[in-house]
Amino acid sequence: AQSVTQLDSQVPVFEEAPVELRCNYSSSVSVYLFWYVQYPNQGLQLLLKYLSGSTLVKGINGFEAEFNKSQTSFHLRKPSVHISDTAEYFCAVSPGTYKYIFGTGTRLKVLA
Amino acid sequence: DTEVTQTPKHLVMGMTNKKSLKCEQHMGHRAMYWYKQKAKKPPELMFVYSYEKLSINESVPSRFSPECPNSSLLNLHLHALQPEDSALYLCASSQGGTSRDEQYFGPGTRLTVT
Repeated sequence: AQSVTQLDSQVPVFEEAPVELRCNYSSSVSVYLFWYVQYPNQGLQLLLKYLSGSTLVKGINGFEAEFNKSQTSFHLRKPSVHISDTAEYFCAVSPGTYKYIFGTGTRLKVLA
Repeated sequence: DTEVTQTPKHLVMGMTNKKSLKCEQHMGHRAMYWYKQKAKKPPELMFVYSYEKLSINESVPSRFSPECPNSSLLNLHLHALQPEDSALYLCASSQGGTSRDEQYFGPGTRLTVT
């Protein structure tokens, strides 16, 4: 069965520092990978996605992620975070029609 | 327009009430979804409509009844809910239903069952 693991439930980081949010997946077939952000009291917004091609994917708000097939990882990075990046971040894989498998989420808290 | 709208934003209802949640998109998407999200958890898929037909029901209790009147609208009818049904209900849509299609989420309806 396919699964997504976000090992870090919370990540505190100071403003303007770099951050990496980790995502590992298990799958025996090709998958498509997504990172979504959820700000407090809001729905989910797509940050970026990997479908094929270049393993370095750039998204909105200065985020990027690297697909590593051998490590089955899709870690999200930002070189310099802002207070406004405080949110819940979900990694998801899409193994088939309609369905996402979400990770449990990582709460990023940016400290002043 | 890449927006999915949901009404109402907040809803408080008693266990004997009947209410409905509404969702609308004008992106021409052919798949629409209902998710339930509890605090500090990822969204859980409830229903999927594809081309206005119910494609997936994730064994949701019958007190939740989805309806897709047309390709732009999705409703979730609620009846005789339990306090444990209190959650954020998210609507989403996608161009199609393939695994490549990103889903666009609405802001959600915060439901409290008293």
